[in-house]
Amino acid sequence: KNEVEQSPQNLTAQEGEFITINCSYSVGISALHWLQQHPGGGIVSLFMLSSGKKKHGRLIATINIQEKHSSLHITASHPRDSAVYICAVSPNYGGATNKLIFGTGTLLAVQP
Amino acid sequence: NAGVTQTPKFQVLKTGQSMTLQCAQDMNHNSMYWYRQDPGMGLRLIYYSASEGTTDKGEVPNGYNVSRLNKREFSLRLESAAPSQTSVYFCASSARGSYNEQFFGPGTRLTVL
Repeated sequence: KNEVEQSPQNLTAQEGEFITINCSYSVGISALHWLQQHPGGGIVSLFMLSSGKKKHGRLIATINIQEKHSSLHITASHPRDSAVYICAVSPNYGGATNKLIFGTGTLLAVQP
Repeated sequence: NAGVTQTPKFQVLKTGQSMTLQCAQDMNHNSMYWYRQDPGMGLRLIYYSASEGTTDKGEVPNGYNVSRLNKREFSLRLESAAPSQTSVYFCASSARGSYNEQFFGPGTRLTVL
């Protein structure tokens, strides 16, 4: 079992819909990261959070440390939001503190 | 500021050839990383350098070597390329450790025939 699991793996939405992508993890962490990767493109950090909730524009990220779960929400989705969204965690144990553990990503397609 | 730069962007090698992927960052970051990305597997850490002068193995180090040339530059070398090393390679940097935001380079698409 992967230490970081994302769901769904693939998601198709209509423009304007509210979108939720989920991330569950099984290790102790010091932070959780949400990343975005456009097709054929580079990787951009969207959020890094260790508690509560953060908001940037139409994007909202939440984390529940007790439940080892995070969600990424996109409000009023737009075709330019089409991308792969990647969850990654920073472990807080032993020699792993310098390493990120990545989920396999959620491929989002927003149709006009 | 250019952020994190990588060269080359694309490369085709024959089995057994060697090459070095270059990475540089201008953000004065202490930590640098090399990842590979394969379909369905997510990003996997090859090697990382927590600070200048140190390097450590990640999840998939076999077949690779790295050099942290100075604080800015972190190179990845394939001594004898194999088809299993066909992948997209990303370099990243962070201020200090994985609990800081990571900044990624544009990637190198490598094909080994």
